Order: sequence, then structure tokens, then C-alpha cells
Amino acid sequence: DGGITQSPKYLFRKEGQNVTLSCEQNLNHDAMYWYRQDPGQGLRLIYYSQIVNDFQKGDIAEGYSVSREKKESFPLTVTSAQKNPTAFYLCASSIPRDISSNQPQHFGDGTRLSIL
Amino acid sequence: SQKIEQNSEALNIQEGKTATLTCNYTNYSPAYLQWYRQDPGRGPVFLLLIRENEKEKRKERLKVTFDTTLKQSLFHITASQPADSATYLCAGGSARQLTFGSGTQLTVLP
Repeated sequence: DGGITQSPKYLFRKEGQNVTLSCEQNLNHDAMYWYRQDPGQGLRLIYYSQIVNDFQKGDIAEGYSVSREKKESFPLTVTSAQKNPTAFYLCASSIPRDISSNQPQHFGDGTRLSIL
Repeated sequence: SQKIEQNSEALNIQEGKTATLTCNYTNYSPAYLQWYRQDPGRGPVFLLLIRENEKEKRKERLKVTFDTTLKQSLFHITASQPADSATYLCAGGSARQLTFGSGTQLTVLP
């Protein structure tokens, strides 16, 4: 079955540590996205990528970094500069490269990051 | 900044009734609205899309409306079932990005 796989499901970060969240898709989608979900708030866009080797900052990119070396993969690194990293992180993909397209986004089942 | 607002209060209804969820947008005019369902600990799943030039869209027991005068979308689930219990997210799309609301938690009581 085609879909988006996020791993791990739960992740714990120590002070001063960088952690990387994995996102893999086999839908052959060009565009991929990372969102952060906090209780009582809507999904907030961290980064998005419309094509391999290219990505753009979203609304809350500070303290995060990404790479897009392969079409299937879009890992997110939460750096020690992100002072409030505890959240539910969601990866998504969509067919077109254009973020303004009305095509639906397909989501993974998320990674819950907590601070030790 | 552009905002999508959904009723943060949980909605409880009796099985068989119609559930109506509200989505309001401010500070922009989305070209389309999308509705997603999210179960606890899972990612959102796309349900329906409606464009600004469409008044109403239907899919099985689901119906969504788009009122550009009121700046509002209504999402209806008819003949609701306990399996419909979930959080429903509204998202408004423009040339720049897709903006999500915080969602409304629906519980259908047997």
C-alpha cells in the first residue's frame, strides 16, 4: 500500500541534543511538508519541499532544519536551538509542486517528541 | 495574519442525528477549503474539498458548504454514527499556503 511512514512514533530529546525525525513516502509525490501540532492550535508549517534538493521555510522554521536528497525522503532535524520542541510532528505529501494547489495532502501518523 | 477558526468546544451529539461543524476564516479569502478527519495519535485524513465558486459539495453522508459572504464553511455529517467520533480539521488554501484550524472534536453517543 502506498503511504507515508514516519519514525519513530515516540522520541525523547535531552537538553542540547539534536534529533532527526524520519519521513518516507512511496506515493511518488513531488511535494513534502513538515507540520507541528500543539494542543488547541492548528497545524503550523515548519518547512516544505516542492522538488528534490530544494526546500523553503514555513511559518516556524527557526530551530529546525531539513534536507531533500531523494524524492521519497524528507527528514526533519530538531536542533538544540528549538527551545520548545515538545509537540506532535506531522509529515505530509501532495502530488503537485505548487503549494497553492488545491490537491489534498496525505499525512503520516506523526512522531511525538518530548523533552527529558 | 490569515486565520482559520473552528469551535474549540467539543461537540457531542446522539447517534442518528446530523452533526454540523463550523469553520470561519479571517484576514484572507481562501480559494478553497479542505476538511480532514483526525483520530487520536494519527495523522489527518482528507475528506472533502470545496472551491470558492462552489456553494455545496457532497460525499456519501458528508456535506460541506462555502459561504464567501459570511466567510464560513459548514461541515455536516448526516445519520451520524459512533465511528464518526474524531477531530475534524478545516484548512483554507490560498496562493501562499494552506492554513489549518485547530479542529473540533466530535463525539457521537450511542
